[in-house]
Amino acid sequence: AQKVTQAQTEISVVEKEDVTLDCVYETRDTTYYLFWYKQPPSGELVFLIRRNSFDEQNEISGRYSWNFQKSTSSFNFTITASQVVDSAVYFCALSEAQNAGNMLTFGGGTRLMVKP
Amino acid sequence: DAGVTQSPTHLIKTRGQQVTLRCSPKSGHDTVSWYQQALGQGPQFIFQYYEEEERQRGNFPDRFSGHQFPNYSSELNVNALLLGDSALYLCASSLVAGGPYEQYFGPGTRLTVT
Repeated sequence: AQKVTQAQTEISVVEKEDVTLDCVYETRDTTYYLFWYKQPPSGELVFLIRRNSFDEQNEISGRYSWNFQKSTSSFNFTITASQVVDSAVYFCALSEAQNAGNMLTFGGGTRLMVKP
Repeated sequence: DAGVTQSPTHLIKTRGQQVTLRCSPKSGHDTVSWYQQALGQGPQFIFQYYEEEERQRGNFPDRFSGHQFPNYSSELNVNALLLGDSALYLCASSLVAGGPYEQYFGPGTRLTVT
C-alpha cells in the first residue's frame, strides 16, 4: 500500500531564510507520480508540482525547487529566500499508476511559518 | 474560467442527520474526486466519479455515497452523521484521460457535527 510521510509537522523560519520540507514515500508500483500542494489559511489546496517516477531531474521554479531521489524514496521541497506569503501548510502526495481513479495519498503536512 | 466551486461553505449538523455537499468541476474537467480532511491532518480520498459512475473508492463506510450528474457536477452524501465526520470536505476535478493530471481543488465545505 502507498504511504507518504512528512516528518516535520511544523517549521518556523525568519523571512529570507531558505527552508527545506521533507517528503518520504512508499509504493510497490514502478510507475507513480508525486505532487506538492500548498494549503493557505483559506483552505483551498493549490497545486505546485507533479513529478513522474521516470523523471528524476530536479526542478526549479522561481524561489521553489524540488529534489527527487528514487534511491531514498524522497521528494523534498526547498523554498529559497522565504517570504511571509509562503506561510501555509504544505502537503506531499503520491498517486500510483495502477489506481484507475488517480487517487492521491497525502502526507500529514508540514506547517511553515515565516516570520518577518 | 471558473475554478472548482463547492457549496455550502460551512454547515452545522446534529449527530444522526444526513448531509449533502455539492461540487462543480473546473470548466473542461470530467472527473470529480472527494476528500475528507480532519483538523491537522492530510486529506483522505473518499471516492471518485467519472461518467456518472463511482470509479474508485477509499476506505470509507457506505454511509458516504455520491453522485455525478451529466454536467459533471457532483454531490457527496453522508448519512447517520457521527461526531468524527466533522472535517473539511474537499472536491477536486481533473481530466481522466491519460495519467494523473494535476487535480484542482475547491475551497472546501467545513462540516461540523454536534
